Amino acid sequence: EDQVTQSPEALRLQEGESSSLNCSYTVSGLRGLFWYRQDPGKGPEFLFTLYSAGEEKEKERLKATLTKKESFLHITAPKPEDSATYLCAVQGKGAQKLVFGQGTRLTINP
Amino acid sequence: DAGVTQSPTHLIKTRGQHVTLRCSPISGHKSVSWYQQVLGQGPQFIFQYYEKEERGRGNFPDRFSARQFPNYSSELNVNALLLGDSALYLCASSLGLGEQFFGPGTRLTVL
Repeated sequence: EDQVTQSPEALRLQEGESSSLNCSYTVSGLRGLFWYRQDPGKGPEFLFTLYSAGEEKEKERLKATLTKKESFLHITAPKPEDSATYLCAVQGKGAQKLVFGQGTRLTINP
Repeated sequence: DAGVTQSPTHLIKTRGQHVTLRCSPISGHKSVSWYQQVLGQGPQFIFQYYEKEERGRGNFPDRFSARQFPNYSSELNVNALLLGDSALYLCASSLGLGEQFFGPGTRLTVL
């Protein structure tokens, strides 16, 4: 069964303090790994798709990387508006569903 | 372009009642998926429909059902509501396999 584990569960940083979020996964044939951002009470907002080990994607202060067992979401010089829950999900080859981790709740203090 | 829309935004029901949630996908998207998200957890897959046919079903009881209409919009129905059905219900649309784009969700509270 496909599984995703995210760590840490919660992370509190000062504005400008860079860090990384981890997503460990097991899947029977990876079709794609997805990162989403979710604000309280709202639907997840799509950020990145990664398809194969070694791939990297960047968007503003965020950079996502992928290995055969895990993905990292690096946040460089974060701002308070980056505060949100970040969700990681995997889709197996031929599967329809996304399997999500429990998320990392990120708080950036000014 | 409009994103995924869901209605209603919020809903309060009592145990044993029935509820219908609605979703309109992004224009051009033929696939709709439904997820349940309990507070503090990641979304859990309920159903996926593509071209009006069910293509996937998660580990949810038969009280949960869904359908997709010719215009690709979708309904999620839940019968005999339980307290544990209280959650944020998310609809996501996609072209097929791959990136799924989520709507704002329907917050269901069962009393």
